[in-house]
Amino acid sequence: KNEVEQSPQNLTAQEGEFITINCSYSVGISALHWLQQHPGGGIVSLFMLSSGKKKHGRLIATINIQEKHSSLHITASHPRDSAVYICAVGRNNNDMRFGAGTRLTVKP
Amino acid sequence: DGGITQSPKYLFRKEGQNVTLSCEQNLNHDAMYWYRQDPGQGLRLIYYSQIVNDFQKGDIAEGYSVSREKKESFPLTVTSAQKNPTAFYLCASGATSGANVLTFGAGSRLTVL
Repeated sequence: KNEVEQSPQNLTAQEGEFITINCSYSVGISALHWLQQHPGGGIVSLFMLSSGKKKHGRLIATINIQEKHSSLHITASHPRDSAVYICAVGRNNNDMRFGAGTRLTVKP
Repeated sequence: DGGITQSPKYLFRKEGQNVTLSCEQNLNHDAMYWYRQDPGQGLRLIYYSQIVNDFQKGDIAEGYSVSREKKESFPLTVTSAQKNPTAFYLCASGATSGANVLTFGAGSRLTVL
């Protein structure tokens, strides 16, 4: 079993829909990260959180430490949100574990 | 602008050849990392370096080699000993202390013919 599990693996939505991507992990962590990977391959960091909730524009990330679960929400989704979203957990400065990613396609 | 530059973006190699992927950063980060990405799998750590002239094996170091002669540069060599080298390779850098925030390069896609 992977240490970081994401669901769903693939997600197709219509423009404007509310989207939720889930991440569960099985190890102790110092922080959890949500990353975005566009078709060209480069990865950008969206959020780093260790408790509670963070919001940036239409993106919201939450984490429940006791349940070892995090969610990434996208409100009013847009085709430009189409990307692979990756959950990663940091255990120390050199030990990060990555989920397999959720491929999101938002159709106009 | 500060960032990480990987080159080449696409690389084709014949079996039995070594290839070197370049990774350069101007972020003044001490730590640099190489990850491999395969379809349906999370990124896996190949090698990392926390300081110049020092590097450590990650989870899948076999068939790879690195060097860290300069703070800015962390090239990865995929040797002929790597049994399944076709993959997407990502370089990242970060501070050695604090919050695990990594900056990633755009990646290099290696295909073995």
